[in-house]
Amino acid sequence: DTEVTQTPKHLVMGMTNKKSLKCEQHMGHRAMYWYKQKAKKPPELMFVYSYEKLSINESVPSRFSPECPNSSLLNLHLHALQPEDSALYLCASSQVRAAGNQPQHFGDGTRLSIL
Amino acid sequence: GQNIDQPTEMTATEGAIVQINCTYQTSGFNGLFWYQQHAGEAPTFLSYNVLDGLEEKGRFSSFLSRSKGYSYLLLKELQMKDSASYLCAVRSFTGGGNKLTFGTGTQLKVEL
Repeated sequence: DTEVTQTPKHLVMGMTNKKSLKCEQHMGHRAMYWYKQKAKKPPELMFVYSYEKLSINESVPSRFSPECPNSSLLNLHLHALQPEDSALYLCASSQVRAAGNQPQHFGDGTRLSIL
Repeated sequence: GQNIDQPTEMTATEGAIVQINCTYQTSGFNGLFWYQQHAGEAPTFLSYNVLDGLEEKGRFSSFLSRSKGYSYLLLKELQMKDSASYLCAVRSFTGGGNKLTFGTGTQLKVEL
């Protein structure tokens, strides 16, 4: 079990559906991240939140909409996704400080399938 | 931009030692991490280097040469459970904060 909890673990949705992925951590981390990981590929950064504010958006399509309602929660709202968006979506958290041995801690991910 | 390369696959024998290399080209370098990822699971943190040299943590060691843009992960006394993907990740500091960029990953298979 990881200290970053993601729900749901699996999600199947149609291209017209609206759904949300959720992530929660209670380690006191003030930086939270969303990654997308395709099979046999490394995680690719999508968004970074620092102190509940969006600090990095890696040119992600607007059909993905992140939200950080408080320091423990991170959501990813999904709408009108495409089949190529099927992937494992990983949430991570870390301290915000710019240096030091402060790894990102990852959740187990949500495996998303778009029909 | 970032460019991080690792061998795609490696095979080693139980009880042996294996070295997984990582080369990188990056701006704003702020540390290098190694993660282990078993299929269908979260990446888990193994080691961290920000200064040149060797960091040792039990059966795992990691080395960094910043001038060469090179790191390696050394796994000793290999066990079957070490079969996994090993990800090299470079942290860089941008105006928006810290970014972690992953290498292509090395799939390690440990055989009897």
